[in-house]
Amino acid sequence: DAGITQSPRHKVTETGTPVTLRCHQTENHRYMYWYRQDPGHGLRLIHYSYGVKDTDKGEVSDGYSVSRSKTEDFLLTLESATSSQTSVYFCATEDSSYNSPLHFGNGTRLTVT
Amino acid sequence: AQRVTQPEKLLSVFKGAPVELKCNYSYSGSPELFWYVQYSRQRLQLLLRHISRESIKGFTADLNKGETSFHLKKPFAQEEDSAMYYCALSGSKAAGNKLTFGGGTRVLVKP
Repeated sequence: DAGITQSPRHKVTETGTPVTLRCHQTENHRYMYWYRQDPGHGLRLIHYSYGVKDTDKGEVSDGYSVSRSKTEDFLLTLESATSSQTSVYFCATEDSSYNSPLHFGNGTRLTVT
Repeated sequence: AQRVTQPEKLLSVFKGAPVELKCNYSYSGSPELFWYVQYSRQRLQLLLRHISRESIKGFTADLNKGETSFHLKKPFAQEEDSAMYYCALSGSKAAGNKLTFGGGTRVLVKP
């Protein structure tokens, strides 16, 4: 779907370690998003990007940073992972056309022990 | 602030029975509303959007601005409808307008 690849698919890490998740797209979509999915909370927006080097915070951005140095890659970094960041992380992309839908990656399941 | 509420976490119905997933929203402007679905082992994908007024896989959803609702309905549920459903809201038709999602409703269609 829109050639979106998330890596890794699964990761277990320890509290306090840095973690970087990668989202790669091949469709040249302008907009990219990172969501986390938690039971009862649905999907909550962490950060988003509206172009290379243009990023902004979402509703649950604390403890996360992002970078977008080229159109196809959007990286999400947990500077110092905490157990509350155990979640499934989804990347989504969107092109610039009117009323276009989001295209989602397969998700990354992150467990912080 | 925009908010989407899906009051049911789980809906269990028998095959052939009607199913209705509730979605209520709060938004001060004129919202764009969507239903996204995630089947087992598949990506989250768009099911339908209110602007299209279409029926997809037998599902329909009507925007009721008076009740601030966008309930999803299907008259005869099928086993393949078992999935996680998310209602989502955008403040604009323009691209780059971030979606706010509800908490999701898991639908289980029993044979």
